[in-house]
Amino acid sequence: AAGVIQSPRHLIKEKRETATLKCYPIPRHDTVYWYQQGPGQDPQFLISFYEKMQSDKGSIPDRFSAQQFSDYHSELNMSSLELGDSALYFCASSKIGGSYNEQFFGPGTRLTVL
Amino acid sequence: AQTVTQSQPEMSVQEAETVTLSCTYDTSESDYYLFWYKQPPSRQMILVIRQEAYKQQNATENRFSVNFQKAAKSFSLKISDSQLGDAAMYFCASISNFGNEKLTFGTGTRLTIIP
Repeated sequence: AAGVIQSPRHLIKEKRETATLKCYPIPRHDTVYWYQQGPGQDPQFLISFYEKMQSDKGSIPDRFSAQQFSDYHSELNMSSLELGDSALYFCASSKIGGSYNEQFFGPGTRLTVL
Repeated sequence: AQTVTQSQPEMSVQEAETVTLSCTYDTSESDYYLFWYKQPPSRQMILVIRQEAYKQQNATENRFSVNFQKAAKSFSLKISDSQLGDAAMYFCASISNFGNEKLTFGTGTRLTIIP
């Protein structure tokens, strides 16, 4: 079965640079979620989109923005990167009304800011 | 709002033995789901087991089972016949039943399997 695809898998940036993370949800899933997991921490919710509209917002810095496109893929744009942005970024997708509201996770993008 | 608490940062168990990981939660929702995720060194988030809050019967998936105590807001994970491949970080998580809600995670329990 198709899974959530994230690209790139690894990304290394310098401070103050920008980064774009991409997420391709499971086909026919209508909702995308972004989570940030710092070293030794649990995943923290950043933002979600349902049918291309922002549906919820968590502790996402103003330097970050995200959107969901017509083909349902989503991009997380991160500007003015800081050392503290180094983390594993997960994308998850789900289908509203699906079993258990289950979210299917991608493999993550490991961002390192130097 | 939902909160999830895992009070055991680390646990260890002998191979082939049984171990129980604890989780408590708090929610104002009447309908919700609870999950246990496994995160091995690869850091992939793998769903281990899930429970619907309105079901009294405890969920079971092969060697993994839960003890769901709704009144006590407790959701522990029991791993039987522990295997080396079970070594990982385990996260308890909750989600409301209302549409596209976010997952709320606990802080995790690192499980070590002793050969």
